[in-house]
Amino acid sequence: EVVLTQSPGTLSLSPGERATLSCRASQSVSSSYLAWYQKKPDQAPRFLMHGASVRATGISDRFSGSGSGTDFNLTISRLEPEDFAVYYCQQYGSSPLTFGGGTKVEIK
Amino acid sequence: EVHLVESGGGLVQPGGSLRLSCSASGFTFSAYAMHWVRQSPGKGLEYVSSISSEFSSDGVSTYYADAVKGRFTISRDNSKKTLHLQMSSLRAEDTAFYYCAKSRASGNTYVYFDSWGQGTLVTVSS
Repeated sequence: EVVLTQSPGTLSLSPGERATLSCRASQSVSSSYLAWYQKKPDQAPRFLMHGASVRATGISDRFSGSGSGTDFNLTISRLEPEDFAVYYCQQYGSSPLTFGGGTKVEIK
Repeated sequence: EVHLVESGGGLVQPGGSLRLSCSASGFTFSAYAMHWVRQSPGKGLEYVSSISSEFSSDGVSTYYADAVKGRFTISRDNSKKTLHLQMSSLRAEDTAFYYCAKSRASGNTYVYFDSWGQGTLVTVSS
């Protein structure tokens, strides 16, 4: 099983700042089959990105993904108030599908 | 627009059973694999189960996380555009919000989830 470790656990930032979230895999994620989701309390998870860097339809270009192998990042270039949430990575290159533990982006 | 609505959650005693449903609209339900993902209170997302489309190269197949294998059964009714999760021998650790999710593929492998429902809460407690 591919274990995904997200860091930091919590990121305290102000609106307008840049956020960089890390997702590290215990073994190489084949073909960069890594996705990112945003989760807010009492809301459905929102699909952000697949293939490590391909934005989903309608997702702002403030969100960008990078990485390959075992190290992946999600960057939010300029935080907007609606971006404060928990972010999860998920690998789908091998079975079983696994999620990271999440990074909470909170308002400083 | 894709719309997924879960139902059937509630309070159940340990060892009991519950059947969750997910009503789908806004897309060709039969063409896509469907999935259940859960989130325990204060915890992260956890993959539960998948069922492929009949159009998958291997036909309809199912897959379960080890934590639920042998206790949960996923099924789908394409005529009613509904996904089900039959849960039995429930344990306290099954307490979670259960989300129905759609993937872009017809098969169960190499899947990510491009649409999600709002979730339904299952509480296992005496």
